[in-house]
Amino acid sequence: TQLLEQSPQFLSIQEGENLTVYCNSSSVFSSLQWYRQEPGEGPVLLVTVVTGGEVKKLKRLTFQFGDARKDSSLHITAAQPGDTGLYLCAGPGSNTGKLIFGQGTTLQVKP
Amino acid sequence: SQTIHQWPATLVQPVGSPLSLECTVEGTSNPNLYWYRQAAGRGLQLLFYSVGIGQISSEVPQNLSASRPQDRQFILSSKKLLLSDSGFYLCAYLRAPGETQYFGPGTRLLVL
Repeated sequence: TQLLEQSPQFLSIQEGENLTVYCNSSSVFSSLQWYRQEPGEGPVLLVTVVTGGEVKKLKRLTFQFGDARKDSSLHITAAQPGDTGLYLCAGPGSNTGKLIFGQGTTLQVKP
Repeated sequence: SQTIHQWPATLVQPVGSPLSLECTVEGTSNPNLYWYRQAAGRGLQLLFYSVGIGQISSEVPQNLSASRPQDRQFILSSKKLLLSDSGFYLCAYLRAPGETQYFGPGTRLLVL
């Protein structure tokens, strides 16, 4: 069974601090996706990483896919209150397009 | 462009009452459709998915059922709601395997 473990589950930091969220598995994934979700809304895709060792940057967010394609990380530089939300990693589970989700990381950035 | 709608946005229902949540997709044909449930601040649990009209796969045994009467319509139902059915229900679609899965705005269900 493919599982994705996210850590930490909760993170509360001050504005301007840096943070890293991890998404780990014992299984190989062909790609991993990161979503951000605000309360009462559906998840919104931030990025998809598909190549082992790949690094993608989205403004202050840096996403990395592990060389063995079993893990990924999300690093936020100089966090802002607008970064507050639930961050989810997900990977394809089968050819029907099912996604396996991590349990999520709730980030709170205090002004 | 594609869009996905869910309604209602919020629903409060008594225990034992029936349920019908609707999801519709615009701008694409023959999408894969998905129903997820999410506990507060947690990841998503896949409930049902459908690869075509009338084709439903259930991921977990539960008090809910799903139907796909039209290509771009996906309905989540229950004959008798339980307290444990409370949660945030998300519908999603996928145009083709390997592409991005897009989520609707969700329905918050509270069973009292």
